[in-house]
Amino acid sequence: LAKTTQPISMDSYEGQEVNITCSHNNIATNDYITWYQQFPSQGPRFIIQGYKTKVTNEVASLFIPADRKSSTLSLPRVSLSDTAVYYCPLNTGFQKLVFGTGTRLLVSP
Amino acid sequence: DTEVTQTPKHLVMGMTNKKSLKCEQHMGHRAMYWYKQKAKKPPELMFVYSYEKLSINESVPSRFSPECPNSSLLNLHLHALQPEDSALYLCASSQDKAGGPNEQFFGPGTRLTVL
Repeated sequence: LAKTTQPISMDSYEGQEVNITCSHNNIATNDYITWYQQFPSQGPRFIIQGYKTKVTNEVASLFIPADRKSSTLSLPRVSLSDTAVYYCPLNTGFQKLVFGTGTRLLVSP
Repeated sequence: DTEVTQTPKHLVMGMTNKKSLKCEQHMGHRAMYWYKQKAKKPPELMFVYSYEKLSINESVPSRFSPECPNSSLLNLHLHALQPEDSALYLCASSQDKAGGPNEQFFGPGTRLTVL
């Protein structure tokens, strides 16, 4: 299964836009790109998913280039409560999520 | 109801004990999952049930035994565990629709400590 790689950590300030990248060079044709958020001692929470181009929902945008070998999660105007670990597992459609190392986002005042 | 519940929240057990973790959802989801998460590591898939049948076993040792008594319940029976099995055990559920990925809803997890 394709693995994903992300920056280990990122720092930001309240009100800024944060862009977290994910590399998935071996993505398969049937794989979807998904993003999850996880707070300490809680289960991951789904944020957004996409197959190609751009997807936007009420909390984030997901940008996927044509070759699909990477993706970028964009969080507009982050707040302190966005401090968490962000994962970009690929979903094979056979219900398998393979989580990479994740990015620890720290939002400061 | 969009919640996955897990009991107990915390569990401490000895290596000779037998215990069970329980997971419940009432969203009508027909796929249910067990993940294991060690500290500061990503979740790792253990088992997947689809329509109450085991569909994926990620080569998990037999001291972990999953069970899906009905479409709302998922259990994980534990026996003769090792200290290295100490971790956060996460349950998740999703629809099981063909044609695309299904969002997984995770529970809060059971924090297991094996002495």
